[in-house]
Amino acid sequence: GDSVTQMEGPVTLSEEACLTINCTYTATGYPSLFWYVQYPGEGLQLLLKATKADDKGSNKGFEATYRKETTSFHLEKGSVQVSDSAVYFCALSPTQGGSEKLVFGKGTKLTVNP
Amino acid sequence: DTAVSQTPKYLVTQMGNDKSIKCEQNLGHDTMYWYKQDSKKFLKIMFSYNNKELIINETVPNRFSPKSPDKAHLNLHINSLELGDSAVYFCASSQEGGVEGTQYFGPGTRLLVL
Repeated sequence: GDSVTQMEGPVTLSEEACLTINCTYTATGYPSLFWYVQYPGEGLQLLLKATKADDKGSNKGFEATYRKETTSFHLEKGSVQVSDSAVYFCALSPTQGGSEKLVFGKGTKLTVNP
Repeated sequence: DTAVSQTPKYLVTQMGNDKSIKCEQNLGHDTMYWYKQDSKKFLKIMFSYNNKELIINETVPNRFSPKSPDKAHLNLHINSLELGDSAVYFCASSQEGGVEGTQYFGPGTRLLVL
């Protein structure tokens, strides 16, 4: 079945450090790929998405590129801030639109220290 | 203004009780979902409804019964609560079809069974 594997956390960085959170997926067909973020005590918010190969999603300085050849969707940010501390979830949806169930990775907790 | 709302936000109850969680979305979406997030932050789909009809029913005990009175509401009723039901339950919605089928999540309901 479809699955998402993301790097285990927790990840601790200093402010202004570079961030990469790895995410790889297994799916039949052409899934849509997402990164969701969960700030402490809150629900999930969509951070960015890509619906086809080579698409790059970006938001709030975060980027991820849909790489079909490596089945990956790694999340990157050049300079993290304390306010980026949260749990990050990589997810896929089997359909291009994303309106079927989301399959989530296990989440990666990021802590950014001043 | 809230797009996807859930009530209550916190729910503490005794084993064996029956409880309900309500979800409402004002986005005009026709698909709604329930997800469960366990203590390790792992998120898994439970149910999905499209226009009041059940579409996805993962292997969830039949003590859990979703009800959709109209396409803007998807409630979750849980009978005979068990300790293992303690989790955060998230409601989400999306518009079926097209590339804008992103799922929007509610703030979550934190259920603690004692």
